[in-house]
Amino acid sequence: EVQLLESGGGLVQPGGSLRLSCAASRFTFSDYGMTWVRQAPGKGLEWVSCISSRGDNTYYADSVRGRFTVSRDNSKNTLYLQMSSLRDEDTAVYYCARGGDYRHLDYWGQGTLVTVSS
Amino acid sequence: DIQMTQSPSSLSASLGDRVTITCRASQDISNYLAWYQQKPGKVPKLLIYAASTLQSGVPSRFSGSGSGTDFTLTINSLQPEDVATYYCQKYNSAPRITFGPGTRVDIK
Repeated sequence: EVQLLESGGGLVQPGGSLRLSCAASRFTFSDYGMTWVRQAPGKGLEWVSCISSRGDNTYYADSVRGRFTVSRDNSKNTLYLQMSSLRDEDTAVYYCARGGDYRHLDYWGQGTLVTVSS
Repeated sequence: DIQMTQSPSSLSASLGDRVTITCRASQDISNYLAWYQQKPGKVPKLLIYAASTLQSGVPSRFSGSGSGTDFTLTINSLQPEDVATYYCQKYNSAPRITFGPGTRVDIK
């Protein structure tokens, strides 16, 4: 069964930075686009970013463009989300998911909580 | 940007009822439409993709239909384990992915 395991969440002050990781296993990571989705407390799902299978195309929601950077290391089967200039409204559970880039999201990780607060 | 709307925002139905949730895209998205189920405190789960294809392992009481701008998720014979919030999602052109606001389903 496909596994996705996020890490790197935590408490950070407004204006701070954080890097999330998503370790993938049990599938050929380099064959798939990958996506980050977040969910603020008590709210719905919000798409954050997608990256193509080779990492040569990246896409961002308007709310994070210019502050977040998605990347991947196919040799390590790992997806990343570098977050900077964090705001209170970035507080959410961040999920990585397999798919995006014209593909549905068929597997999701358990999520990692990012709390932005002073 | 293409916007996704869902109706109703919430519903209560009796066990065994047939439940229908609608999703509308502001522009034609062909069949690039997926449905997800999120139970309280849990990770979202893919139910249906390409508007009507049932994901492996999903009970057959779930079905999807539609194309273009109007889509439907149907739950035949509502079960206690179906209490959840259901999201539609489009995954065609930029922005690549947009979720609907969700429909909360409870048991009456």
